[in-house]
Amino acid sequence: QKEVEQNSGPLSVPEGAIASLNCTYSDRGSQSFFWYRQYSGKSPELIMFIYSNGDKEDGRFTAQLNKASQYVSLLIRDSQPSDSATYLCAAEVSGGYNKLIFGAGTRLAVHP
Amino acid sequence: DAGVIQSPRHEVTEMGQEVTLRCKPISGHDYLFWYRQTMMRGLELLIYFNNNVPIDDSGMPEDRFSAKMPNASFSTLKIQPSEPRDSAVYFCASSLPRGEQYFGPGTRLTVT
Repeated sequence: QKEVEQNSGPLSVPEGAIASLNCTYSDRGSQSFFWYRQYSGKSPELIMFIYSNGDKEDGRFTAQLNKASQYVSLLIRDSQPSDSATYLCAAEVSGGYNKLIFGAGTRLAVHP
Repeated sequence: DAGVIQSPRHEVTEMGQEVTLRCKPISGHDYLFWYRQTMMRGLELLIYFNNNVPIDDSGMPEDRFSAKMPNASFSTLKIQPSEPRDSAVYFCASSLPRGEQYFGPGTRLTVT
């Protein structure tokens, strides 16, 4: 059974701090990884994707991938109350032709 | 450019009735995905299509569920007969090959 594991949280951080969200995956053949943000009552919104080992930065967001450890993370710098949402990690199933497996999500709460 | 369009946004029906959910993918995207999201089970892939052909329907819960994609710009997910346990938010998403998936606003289904 291919799985993506996330801590459900809530992860509570003060405004301006760095929020660190983590994810592990079981499918060693997975090559592509995605982070989605989902506000309550809304649909998942793609915020980052990463295919190669290392870091990928986009504005306040940094995605990190370590394929040897089967570990993906998302860092949010200068966290804002508007970042409060559930963050879903997804891994492409190897041989799955665009098929993604989603984690259950981590709820992030940024307090002023 | 318009995103993924879903209708209806909300559906309330009685047990035993037929329910049809509709989706229009982003123009040019040749992959279309149907997901179901509940608190208990998270975001689950039900079925996905490539160039209007179903590729993987292993997530379809039972024969009461069926999906079609008669052309590149339209897909339906049908539940017949509906049951209270089908109550969930149903999302449609689309993507390019090996590309990021973009979600529609979802249909919130309540079966009483």
